[in-house]
Amino acid sequence: DTEVTQTPKHLVMGMTNKKSLKCEQHMGHRAMYWYKQKAKKPPELMFVYSYEKLSINESVPSRFSPECPNSSLLNLHLHALQPEDSALYLCASSQGPLAGGLRTNEQFFGPGTRLTVL
Amino acid sequence: DQQVKQNSPSLSVQEGRISILNCDYTNSMFDYFLWYKKYPAEGPTFLISISSIKDKNEDGRFTVFLNKSAKHLSLHIVPSQPGDSAVYFCAAGNSGGYQKVTFGTGTKLQVIP
Repeated sequence: DTEVTQTPKHLVMGMTNKKSLKCEQHMGHRAMYWYKQKAKKPPELMFVYSYEKLSINESVPSRFSPECPNSSLLNLHLHALQPEDSALYLCASSQGPLAGGLRTNEQFFGPGTRLTVL
Repeated sequence: DQQVKQNSPSLSVQEGRISILNCDYTNSMFDYFLWYKKYPAEGPTFLISISSIKDKNEDGRFTVFLNKSAKHLSLHIVPSQPGDSAVYFCAAGNSGGYQKVTFGTGTKLQVIP
């Protein structure tokens, strides 16, 4: 299984709602990522989990709360979002920490969740 | 500060010809580079990568060239096919870091039949 799955595909929420995005991979990868992508922009890193521990938080507002319940699952909990948070949210996974040399960090992406905040 | 730049927002190529997509970076700590293809409403798909100890890597129709002294890399697609029409992102990272990858701004490739 070489797939990263994300649910839901689309999500519309109000500014007072609480919702969660889910991501799953069964490739045995030990690093998982959340990215945010706005139209005509590159993916922007939000969080990295390595061996189920948060290793990078790119100064993301606290209204976004990541969670990694186990090595296959990654959640992003959303609360009190703003309309400017509307974007495509991408999950990715990769093998894990690199040893240098020939290793490159190929990340495998899911199809994304299109989020609209009203 | 955009550490990875793709200066051509778009590129049109005839089917069967070569497509050359370019990417420049500023951070000398980057030691590996990747290319991704992205269709609308889908996640990026990994294409090919290269470590800084190499200057060329080839996979089928795709070849990536790395010029470390110029901090420049390019992706060659030969021959180009209409299905290659997509947005292409280059990305860079440091193998000693925490798996962080920095993406370029993207180039939209259109292959004309």
